[in-house]
Amino acid sequence: LAKTTQPISMDSYEGQEVNITCSHNNIATNDYITWYQQFPSQGPRFIIQGYKTKVTNEVASLFIPADRKSSTLSLPRVSLSDTAVYYCLVGISATGGSYIPTFGRGTSLIVHP
Amino acid sequence: NAGVTQTPKFQVLKTGQSMTLQCAQDMNHEYMSWYRQDPGMGLRLIHYSVGAGITDQGEVPNGYNVSRSTTEDFPLRLLSAAPSQTSVYFCASSSRQGGSPLHFGNGTRLTVT
Repeated sequence: LAKTTQPISMDSYEGQEVNITCSHNNIATNDYITWYQQFPSQGPRFIIQGYKTKVTNEVASLFIPADRKSSTLSLPRVSLSDTAVYYCLVGISATGGSYIPTFGRGTSLIVHP
Repeated sequence: NAGVTQTPKFQVLKTGQSMTLQCAQDMNHEYMSWYRQDPGMGLRLIHYSVGAGITDQGEVPNGYNVSRSTTEDFPLRLLSAAPSQTSVYFCASSSRQGGSPLHFGNGTRLTVT
């Protein structure tokens, strides 16, 4: 099965913009790209979802190029509470058409004062 | 507002013992799934279900069984626990596969000695 690829870790400072890119070369034509945030000892939490171009909500923006083989999560003006692991999720169709949502290994973001 | 509830939160097993991890959701979601999370490996899909009476294998199904007799419940069974199954297990649900965000429980931390 194809995998998603993300940077293992990133560092930033409070007030900066952070961009995390995920590669997903074998994304299915009808699949969405979803990003999650995970704090220690908790389950992942939904941040944002998109199919193409740009999506923005109150916490983040998601940029998806025309070929959809990658996506970039943008966190504006991060704070210490944004320190977490961020995962991108795409559904990779296995042989026979089964839907197998595949997470990347996650990007550990550390925000410094 | 329970969402996805997992029990127990912690469990220690001896090699060869069996147990069932419970997962229940109160959102009337059709799609449910189990993931395991190991250090440096991200989240890997074990089994999933697109509705009552229907289950399918994910990326790492060996050593685990599931059933889906009701919309609300999706238990994960370990028939003969092995140390390699030491992990944190997450249950997730969504209203449909592919395009809807997953709602995660807070996990079960399992140690097999």
